[in-house]
Amino acid sequence: EAQVTQNPRYLITVTGKKLTVTCSQNMNHEYMSWYRQDPGLGLRQIYYSMNVEVTDKGDVPEGYKVSRKEKRNFPLILESPSPNQTSLYFCASSPNLRTSGSDNEQFFGPGTRLTVL
Amino acid sequence: AQKVTQAQTEISVVEKEDVTLDCVYETRDTTYYLFWYKQPPSGELVFLIRRNSFDEQNEISGRYSWNFQKSTSSFNFTITASQVVDSAVYFCALSEGWRSQGNLIFGKGTKLSVKP
Repeated sequence: EAQVTQNPRYLITVTGKKLTVTCSQNMNHEYMSWYRQDPGLGLRQIYYSMNVEVTDKGDVPEGYKVSRKEKRNFPLILESPSPNQTSLYFCASSPNLRTSGSDNEQFFGPGTRLTVL
Repeated sequence: AQKVTQAQTEISVVEKEDVTLDCVYETRDTTYYLFWYKQPPSGELVFLIRRNSFDEQNEISGRYSWNFQKSTSSFNFTITASQVVDSAVYFCALSEGWRSQGNLIFGKGTKLSVKP
């Protein structure tokens, strides 16, 4: 089954304790990205990756790191989490339009609800 | 700069009513893509439709229909004969051109409540 998986789904942590949220897709997609969702703000992009070893900042990258060592994985790293990073996080992947033609659906993971105390 | 505006924050209707969710976008690219997603109370994002800027044909899928008008930069979504299961937050999103195709700019969402 084509899917994007995220782990953990729920996490409560404390300020300053490093954490990683994993994201994996099994569709051989080139594009992957991370979004955060906050009430009244919709979804905002944190980082994105156009291919292996290619990453770039989105709209709200401060306090986050990512890596893309393999095509299928795109972990989100919070080196020193703070309470303002309490949010619902979504990972997404999509194929390259140039090669996939019209079939460009963005696949979203189920979300990770993070609380930083 | 690119932007997506969903002016309706919340809409409440009674079952079987028709409802239209508005979406207005801004972009300088001639090639772009528009999306609608549904987020039910369970929290996942459900893809509904993608439309590219070269295809202005309206789309109908069951009770759902979409009206894309480049002249007014709008991509509105209509649910006909709404049902309680349609209650959700609906997001409109924009992605620009080949370079930015993986990056979605979301509107802030419209929360639809359908009452029995």
